[in-house]
Amino acid sequence: AQKVTQAQTEISVVEKEDVTLDCVYETRDTTYYLFWYKQPPSGELVFLIRRNSFDEQNEISGRYSWNFQKSTSSFNFTITASQVVDSAVYFCALSEGMDSSYKLIFGSGTRLLVRP
Amino acid sequence: EPEVTQTPSHQVTQMGQEVILRCVPISNHLYFYWYRQILGQKVEFLVSFYNNEISEKSEIFDDQFSVERPDGSNFTLKIRSTKLEDSAMYFCASSEIPPYQPQHFGDGTRLSIL
Repeated sequence: AQKVTQAQTEISVVEKEDVTLDCVYETRDTTYYLFWYKQPPSGELVFLIRRNSFDEQNEISGRYSWNFQKSTSSFNFTITASQVVDSAVYFCALSEGMDSSYKLIFGSGTRLLVRP
Repeated sequence: EPEVTQTPSHQVTQMGQEVILRCVPISNHLYFYWYRQILGQKVEFLVSFYNNEISEKSEIFDDQFSVERPDGSNFTLKIRSTKLEDSAMYFCASSEIPPYQPQHFGDGTRLSIL
């Protein structure tokens, strides 16, 4: 069965520290898609990145980077030089290729607190 | 940039009453979704809608729930007889071609059942 696990419920760092948010997924599909969403205190869900199962290239976007490793079923997210504005709940999500609705299966989220 | 719009932002309703949550998806999107998030918990899938019909619904989406796309723009979620446990944030999402294009979420409707 499909599942997304974010074992870190809450992380607290001081501004400018680097922080990595872990995501481990389970799926029987060979084609699947992984996502990260950010939920700031205002409550909306903001799309950050999408990765498909055939593309294991890591990606860097400014201070954000993502490490996708199929061998360990992980899709980790690193914020470099964290800022107070990065404080939010971050959700990892999975969409399976055989699922005709392409629904998102979310992890339980990691709350990141960046202290000044 | 186009966005998904949800109204109202907050709805307070007495238990047993009907409630309709409204969403205007992004105009060229074809797939529509409702999710809910009970306070402090993860986001859970409720229902997906494509080509004017439900493509999938979760166990949460029982007979008390229904969805409609009454005109070309709105997408509504109706709860017929609300229960205390329906209190949650409800998110509407839409996508042009999932999963190649991501689902874009509205800001949510906070539903409080008294």
